[in-house]
Parts: sequence; structure tokens; C-alpha cells
Amino acid sequence: GENVEQHPSTLSVQEGDSAVIKCTYSDSASNYFPWYKQELGKRPQLIIDIRSNVGEKKDQRIAVTLNKTAKHFSLHITETQPEDSAVYFCAASTGFQKLVFGTGTRLLVSP
Amino acid sequence: NAGVTQTPKFQVLKTGQSMTLQCAQDMNHEYMSWYRQDPGMGLRLIHYSVGAGITDQGEVPNGYNVSRSTTEDFPLRLLSAAPSQTSVYFCASSQSSASPGELFFGEGSRLTVL
Repeated sequence: GENVEQHPSTLSVQEGDSAVIKCTYSDSASNYFPWYKQELGKRPQLIIDIRSNVGEKKDQRIAVTLNKTAKHFSLHITETQPEDSAVYFCAASTGFQKLVFGTGTRLLVSP
Repeated sequence: NAGVTQTPKFQVLKTGQSMTLQCAQDMNHEYMSWYRQDPGMGLRLIHYSVGAGITDQGEVPNGYNVSRSTTEDFPLRLLSAAPSQTSVYFCASSQSSASPGELFFGEGSRLTVL
């Protein structure tokens, strides 16, 4: 089955810096890659997703890139703000709704 | 719309007890699922359903049962609770089963098994 690895497990940045979180997946049939943000004590919420027919997608300060050959995808957050502090999860799907999640990255943005 | 509603939010059980976590969605979503979240292990799929009357196992199904008699409800039953089932449980739904898209999560249920 699919296996998703996520790095780093924790990431500390200064406000205004960029943050990058990386994930690799094992199943070459995977074609949908979402990113979820979970604030402390809250539910996970989708922040951006990408499908395998696209190499990059942007939404304001966040972007996701996908390298199908290398089987990895990354989340980029620019101009980080304290409210970006949360746990971020990547996930992969082979085409149905079943998602396999990474283990999460705790991002801390210091003022 | 309430979205995805889970009850209870907190529960403490003794080893061997059984209980049901309730999940309801009011968005007419086809797909519903249960995840458990443990520190350092992300979200792991327990069971899922692609429509009323249809359920299937996820990554970690042992010790749990589900049923889907209506589109709206997807309860998760713990048959004989064990300390290893101490976790935060999330119910999630999505509009389509066939094409992956946004998962809408409930607020979570924190379960402690003593």
C-alpha cells in the first residue's frame, strides 16, 4: 500500500521567513496530494491540494510543488506569520477518497 | 449547516468496556470515514464508507466496527476497549467517493482507556 513520509517533524522560523515542508510517497499510481493544517486542539482543514497533471499550484502565500518522477511534493509558505503556527499534514491518494497521511510537521513562527 | 458533528467530545472508558462514537453530516456527502490521531503518527484510517450500506476497512480496523444505514450517519463502535485505543478520533466526510477532494473533519473525540 501507499506510504507517505514527511520531513521535518518540527520547523522553527522567524516571522517573515519562508518555510518548506517535504513529503515523499511510494505508490506511483497516487494522483492527488492535499495539505491540511491543524491548529492546536482543532480539526484538520484543507489549505491547498494538487493533482498529478499539475506541477505547481499557488494560493497567495502558500504553494505546492509536485515532482512525479521523484515521487515527492512540497509545501512552501512565504512571508510566514505567527498565525501560520500549526501542524501541517501532507497526504496522498491513488484516485479514490482514501487518503494516506504523513506524520505531520509542527511549524512554529516566532515574532 | 452544522457540517460534521461528532459526539461525545471526551470519554473515559475502562478496559473491556464498549462504546459508540457518533458521527453525523448534513452536507449529503457520499464518503465518510474515521481516522485516529496519535502523537507522531499522523492520521490513520480506521474504516470508511462510500455510500449507505457500504463499508470497508482502512489501515487500522482491528477492534472497531462501523455501519452506514443512512447517508448522514456513520457510527464507530469499540467492541472491547483496550489502552492501545486511547487516541483522538476524527470523523471526516467528502462529497464524492470516486474522485478525491476536500475532506471535512469533525471536531474530534478524545478517548482515554484506563
